[in-house]
Amino acid sequence: GESVGLHLPTLSVQEGDNSIINCAYSNSASDYFIWYKQESGKGPQFIIDIRSNMDKRQGQRVTVLLNKTVKHLSLQIAATQPGDSAVYFCAENAGGTSYGKLTFGQGTILTVHP
Amino acid sequence: GAGVSQSPSNKVTEKGKDVELRCDPISGHTALYWYRQSLGQGLEFLIYFQGNSAPDKSGLPSDRFSAERTGGSVSTLTIQRTQQEDSAVYLCASSLRGRGYEQYFGPGTRLTVT
Repeated sequence: GESVGLHLPTLSVQEGDNSIINCAYSNSASDYFIWYKQESGKGPQFIIDIRSNMDKRQGQRVTVLLNKTVKHLSLQIAATQPGDSAVYFCAENAGGTSYGKLTFGQGTILTVHP
Repeated sequence: GAGVSQSPSNKVTEKGKDVELRCDPISGHTALYWYRQSLGQGLEFLIYFQGNSAPDKSGLPSDRFSAERTGGSVSTLTIQRTQQEDSAVYLCASSLRGRGYEQYFGPGTRLTVT
């Protein structure tokens, strides 16, 4: 889920486990939903996107699920590795006249223990 | 290939001074975006360029903030009469035309206003 302020949701997993990171979005008119990974001291790194007319998309070790009924997005990471430890942000892109604008959630801290 | 680069990486300035932040997008990316990230927060959209024009400036917090882009490449974000609340990491991203949902970020400039 998402949080406001400095108290970001956290998820701790053991190496090799599957991770599920959740996000609630706000704009039912958003055209694209995107997941970013941000490691300490770096800019966000694009992971995967899903268009609003889809409900599932798979990438390398990651799967994104979209449930428009409840405005919920999730990122599943298979066989989580220590290098996956980072803050994960969901973002939405409304398209149209707001084409260039991504609206980000507050982020979830993922910690992977060896 | 080379990613998005930003300079300086860190900037400390006194309240009331002007600062300029620079962004070099990925070669061939016609769209360029500026975001701001405060400590422990998600990213806040500032402005978006397509080529040298800015179709969406809706995120600029006040008239102290301005940005320009020349030659369809380098962009500068200028903050005049800096205030302590301007302290944040300023992130630049770029994307191919028509792919605003797939933005690639630079490492950011950490601005501290004392």
